[in-house]
Amino acid sequence: DAGVIQSPRHEVTEMGQEVTLRCKPISGHDYLFWYRQTMMRGLELLIYFNNNVPIDDSGMPEDRFSAKMPNASFSTLKIQPSEPRDSAVYFCASSSLRGPKNIQYFGAGTRLSVL
Amino acid sequence: AQKVTQAQTEISVVEKEDVTLDCVYETRDTTYYLFWYKQPPSGELVFLIRRNSFDEQNEISGRYSWNFQKSTSSFNFTITASQVVDSAVYFCALTSSMGSARQLTFGSGTQLTVLP
Repeated sequence: DAGVIQSPRHEVTEMGQEVTLRCKPISGHDYLFWYRQTMMRGLELLIYFNNNVPIDDSGMPEDRFSAKMPNASFSTLKIQPSEPRDSAVYFCASSSLRGPKNIQYFGAGTRLSVL
Repeated sequence: AQKVTQAQTEISVVEKEDVTLDCVYETRDTTYYLFWYKQPPSGELVFLIRRNSFDEQNEISGRYSWNFQKSTSSFNFTITASQVVDSAVYFCALTSSMGSARQLTFGSGTQLTVLP
């Protein structure tokens, strides 16, 4: 089975531009998580979904960030407008209640650079 | 609140040496899960092991072993006969199974460098 797939792997953009990160979870998984990794703050949870419904978005830094999950096989994280401090690696992860519970499987990440 | 502490920021060893990565956690929950993830230089996060709070048996998988001790709130990871390919950042993480609290709380990671 394919793992969590994220695109793009790398994104370079200019301040003020809109950025959209994409994630395809493992088929059959009902939880999806978005994390951000920075040197200063380490790995931090931004938002997670259960059955396509956002459950906890308390980690979303500000209104410039938004996340959607229109169906069980696709999610997006959007930053509009982007700022240099948004530069980080963004990870998507998924998990399932049916398999070993609470194991989150991560995608390869998207490295975002905002100039 | 949950917290995971990995006090070792960087460790450097020579190939074939054994190395132990420390992890100390804090939680008020009685049911929780502990994890180790590996982040190689390529950047992805690779799941290594999960341990639940009721299972204090140590586990060995090849050159890897894990020592879970509730009395000291520790979940340490040992690599025996380290290899250059073990060079990576290793993260310890914690999650509660209570309610919908499914987020992983990560430690700050330990950068392991294995020298040839």
